[in-house]
Amino acid sequence: GQSLEQPSEVTAVEGAIVQINCTYQTSGFYGLSWYQQHDGGAPTFLSYNALDGLEETGRFSSFLSRSDSYGYLLLQELQMKDSASYFCAAFIKAAGNKLTFGGGTRVLVKP
Amino acid sequence: EPEVTQTPSHQVTQMGQEVILRCVPISNHLYFYWYRQILGQKVEFLVSFYNNEISEKSEIFDDQFSVERPDGSNFTLKIRSTKLEDSAMYFCASNQRRIEAFFGQGTRLTVV
Repeated sequence: GQSLEQPSEVTAVEGAIVQINCTYQTSGFYGLSWYQQHDGGAPTFLSYNALDGLEETGRFSSFLSRSDSYGYLLLQELQMKDSASYFCAAFIKAAGNKLTFGGGTRVLVKP
Repeated sequence: EPEVTQTPSHQVTQMGQEVILRCVPISNHLYFYWYRQILGQKVEFLVSFYNNEISEKSEIFDDQFSVERPDGSNFTLKIRSTKLEDSAMYFCASNQRRIEAFFGQGTRLTVV
């Protein structure tokens, strides 16, 4: 099967660092992406890892290890506005052009 | 900045009625999608569309659903004979490359 697994919820305080893990089982994909979704809003693209290693975009970084079937999103210097759901996602090769999402991790930032 | 637009933002319909959700993808994009998100749950893939035909569909996308690209800009999702469990947020998305998909703001469908 093709699935991406994430923790359901993470709580942290402002200024902290949060790591959201994503483990996957898929026959092959083009790369791992991360999306942010605020309540009532649309998913918006955050980052993409085509190759193994770390990609940094400001306060957010994403990591991929294909050999471990694992990736993570790192949120640094947490701000209240970072409270949202975060989804890992992948375009699955065997499925034409289908973007498949993990279950999402709800991040709650407290003062 | 180009964006995906969806109409209406909220649709209330009676059970058994047909609804059409409309989307205008970004103009130079080649791949189009519909996703569904039941309140509090994950974003679920319904269907992808490329080169004027369905390229992939999920088990959710049964005979009750259909998609159409009636002209060069619109992309529609039709739900026939709506059921209570069809109540959800429906997102349209499009992309050009297999890196990021751009999502519309969604249509909240409420079946009563």
